[in-house]
Amino acid sequence: AAGVIQSPRHLIKEKRETATLKCYPIPRHDTVYWYQQGPGQDPQFLISFYEKMQSDKGSIPDRFSAQQFSDYHSELNMSSLELGDSALYFCASSLALYKGTDTQYFGPGTRLTVL
Amino acid sequence: SQQGEEDPQALSIQEGENATMNCSYKTSINNLQWYRQNSGRGLVHLILIRSNEREKHSGRLRVTLDTSKKSSSLLITASRAADTASYFCATERYGNNRLAFGKGNQVVVIP
Repeated sequence: AAGVIQSPRHLIKEKRETATLKCYPIPRHDTVYWYQQGPGQDPQFLISFYEKMQSDKGSIPDRFSAQQFSDYHSELNMSSLELGDSALYFCASSLALYKGTDTQYFGPGTRLTVL
Repeated sequence: SQQGEEDPQALSIQEGENATMNCSYKTSINNLQWYRQNSGRGLVHLILIRSNEREKHSGRLRVTLDTSKKSSSLLITASRAADTASYFCATERYGNNRLAFGKGNQVVVIP
C-alpha cells in the first residue's frame, strides 16, 4: 500500500538559510499534518490542512509557513533557520477530517540539521 | 501542554517476555493511539482505541483505556528482538485532530 512520502529525507542548512520540506499524502487522503521532533523529544504538532485550507495551528514559529496544494501535497517552508530548528520533521495524512476519528499515517520524516 | 504522558520507562526484557507500558493524559479525548518508533526513524501506527472502548487487541498487542482514570496501557506479549523501539501514546481531542504525544517508552528486547 502507498505510504506518505517526504522529501528530502535529509537536509543540511546553515543558520539563517531557508528550507522547504515536501510531503505527499496517501492517495485520497485529504488532511495533512506536520510535526516536529527534536532530539530525544516527543513529536510536537505544528500545523494541519484539510482540503487545502489550514485546519489547525500549533506551536509553529512565525518563521515557518506551510500550504497544501491542489494535488494535496504539502510544503513546509522554514526561513531564517536557527540551530534549534534541527529536528526530525514528520508529515502525516488521514482521510476526511470532518468524519472525526481517523488514523494518522506518518511519513519517514525529514531530518533537518542546521549548522 | 501534552495530552498523553507515559510513565517514563526504559524497559529491558528477555525475548518471549511481556512488556507493559502506561500512558496518562489530562483532558477528555476522542481517541488514544499508540505508535512505535525505531531509533529516530518514522512513526509506525500500532493501534487506535476510541473513548467509548475499554480494550482492544491487534495481534500481540493489547491496549486498555480507562477514561475515568485518564490512562491507557499497552501490552506486548511474547516480545521479540524486533520489538525493540520507543513507544509513544498520542491523544486526539474532540473537534481537534491534532495528536498530542507523550514521552516515549524505550523498550529493549534482549534475544
